[in-house]
Amino acid sequence: VVLTQSPGTVSLSPGQRATLSCRASQSVNGSYLAWYQQKLGQAPRLLIYGASNRATGIPDRFSGSGSRTDFSLTISRLQPEDYAVYYCQVYGRTFGQGTKVDIK
Amino acid sequence: VQLAQSGAEVKTPGSSVMVSCKASGGTFSNYAISWVRQAPGQGLEWMGGIIPVFGAATYAPRLQDRITITADSSTNTVNLGLSGLRSDDTAVYYCAGPPLNAAYNYYFESWGQGTLVTVSS
Repeated sequence: VVLTQSPGTVSLSPGQRATLSCRASQSVNGSYLAWYQQKLGQAPRLLIYGASNRATGIPDRFSGSGSRTDFSLTISRLQPEDYAVYYCQVYGRTFGQGTKVDIK
Repeated sequence: VQLAQSGAEVKTPGSSVMVSCKASGGTFSNYAISWVRQAPGQGLEWMGGIIPVFGAATYAPRLQDRITITADSSTNTVNLGLSGLRSDDTAVYYCAGPPLNAAYNYYFESWGQGTLVTVSS
């Protein structure tokens, strides 16, 4: 499975909404898709599992949706701590190449 | 689950490396641990994983001729071996595991601190 994330980089202001896309080259079984946030010099942090379930301690401004081949991560109102790189992953398989959320 | 990795390594091209990951908390034998690496400035690459009670590891196809993942239940440690090292194997190597209530799944809530492996002549 190849995961293609878009856009590569998005520049947004605090308070704006971010919508990140992850497209799979073939259908993903059982919504086995996760999203991670990574900041420079840190290990990734799990945000979403099962395509739409927030991980423990993740704020409700983060939401995931989608099925089969098209998935998205939405950050409803960007906070300063949300500027990072975001990756999607099919369980036990590939990661997408990442989307960087930059401050505008 | 807490994951603690071994220290940084410097290797020459063509050699092999072993990185270890010691797990604490949870039931080691019934917990999936994977290895994920990240080359400098690049994205994440899932390398493979193991559930110790089942024994056999699963590997990413592009690495399967060079990678070995083993589990030692006497020390709660998972080991990553990578042979035929090349300069593009230079990366931070992470061990990672799922939430305890999804212990057989290969998505990752717990992460080790990362081990830098540098391959250079």
